[in-house]
Amino acid sequence: QVQLQESGPGLVKSSETLSLTCSVSGGSFSGYFWTWIRQSPGKGLEWIGYIYYSGSTNYNPSLNSRVTMSIDTSKNQFSLRLTSVTAADTAVYFCARGVHGGNPERFDSWGQGSLVTVSS
Amino acid sequence: DIQMTQSPSSLSASVGDRVTITCRASQNIRNYLNWYQQKLGRAPKLLIYAASTLQSGVPSRFSGSGSGTDFTLTISSLQPEDFATYFCQQSYNTPKTFGQGTKVEIK
Repeated sequence: QVQLQESGPGLVKSSETLSLTCSVSGGSFSGYFWTWIRQSPGKGLEWIGYIYYSGSTNYNPSLNSRVTMSIDTSKNQFSLRLTSVTAADTAVYFCARGVHGGNPERFDSWGQGSLVTVSS
Repeated sequence: DIQMTQSPSSLSASVGDRVTITCRASQNIRNYLNWYQQKLGRAPKLLIYAASTLQSGVPSRFSGSGSGTDFTLTISSLQPEDFATYFCQQSYNTPKTFGQGTKVEIK
């Protein structure tokens, strides 16, 4: 059974860059789209974007100018960088596996989540 | 962006009750609708995809229906482990968006 685990700093200073990595184990890394979603009390669940196994990306337009995702297939890892963070970026960040398989896309496996707090 | 609106925002129910949660999309999303369950401090868990297809391993008391703009998640007989928050999510276009959640509490 696939498992996902987020890692990265829990505290980031305002105006700096948030960086998180998701490690995937127990399943195939290819054929899926690897996703970042965040959750905050104020904005609920917010889809940040995803990166395909091939490296192509699809980002939320509201964050597009600040987001970069990358993938390392040799390590079964994918990463998120969010620049110029503010307090509004404080949230629990989840990585998830997206699957299509002939049906509408859905997120069928999730990491446990990583709380990132932006401090001034 | 497609807005997803759930109702009610919260409900109180007893074990054994039939529970229905509604999700409305701001435009036609065909059957591109997923439902998730989230327990406190945990990640969301996929319950239903493509509006009505039960994810593997999910109990059959959960069911989904709808198409276009109006969708329903039904729990036929509420169990103690079902007390949680439920979210709908559209995958019709970018950005993927979620409903605000429906919290199911014990009466």
